[in-house]
Amino acid sequence: GAVVSQHPSWVICKSGTSVKIECRSLDFQATTMFWYRQFPKQSLMLMATSNEGSKATYEQGVEKDKFLINHASLTLSTLTVTSAHPEDSSFYICSAREPGRRNTEAFFGQGTRLTVV
Amino acid sequence: GNSVTQMEGPVTLSEEAFLTINCTYTATGYPSLFWYVQYPGEGLQLLLKATKADDKGSNKGFEATYRKETTSFHLEKGSVQVSDSAVYFCALSDTAGNQFYFGTGTSLTVIP
Repeated sequence: GAVVSQHPSWVICKSGTSVKIECRSLDFQATTMFWYRQFPKQSLMLMATSNEGSKATYEQGVEKDKFLINHASLTLSTLTVTSAHPEDSSFYICSAREPGRRNTEAFFGQGTRLTVV
Repeated sequence: GNSVTQMEGPVTLSEEAFLTINCTYTATGYPSLFWYVQYPGEGLQLLLKATKADDKGSNKGFEATYRKETTSFHLEKGSVQVSDSAVYFCALSDTAGNQFYFGTGTSLTVIP
């Protein structure tokens, strides 16, 4: 089946620095990718929908300038957490789906554990 | 709008017990329904899916039937194992296939 690869799996950064997380679809072209945030023992919170070649669509309450999303190609989307603070520490997950196929599942990356110290 | 309501957790069962995790949905049109599983520290993996009414999805001993009349997609397993301990998410994909909607997740712990 289709695979979505997310990198890095975990990262520790200092407060005030920026961190980039990559999400790649390995064997299909993803015109749309999704970024989620998951707090401990809680559900997935959709942060934004990443669209290839255009601006990302952010969910209400998500700071666009804080969480920069770039969908550079049909196989790569990146999430950059800018000027990170400890409260940004979380588990971030991306997903992608083969376009035009309603009945197919979404494929998820393995997630990135971000810790801001 | 579209939404998924999932049974609150956490759930703790003894090995070989019967498992049911309830999931109901609200949707317009003809959504597809999914169950995902998340093991600690990992992303989500598809467990099973059903794409139309009365379809039954099954995998690894888990089953769920798409019930349009009750708008439900309950997850069941006849005999759980310790290795089934994880968080389970019910999800639907809208008719257009553009968006996934997740339930809140149910944490399952199976004790020997």
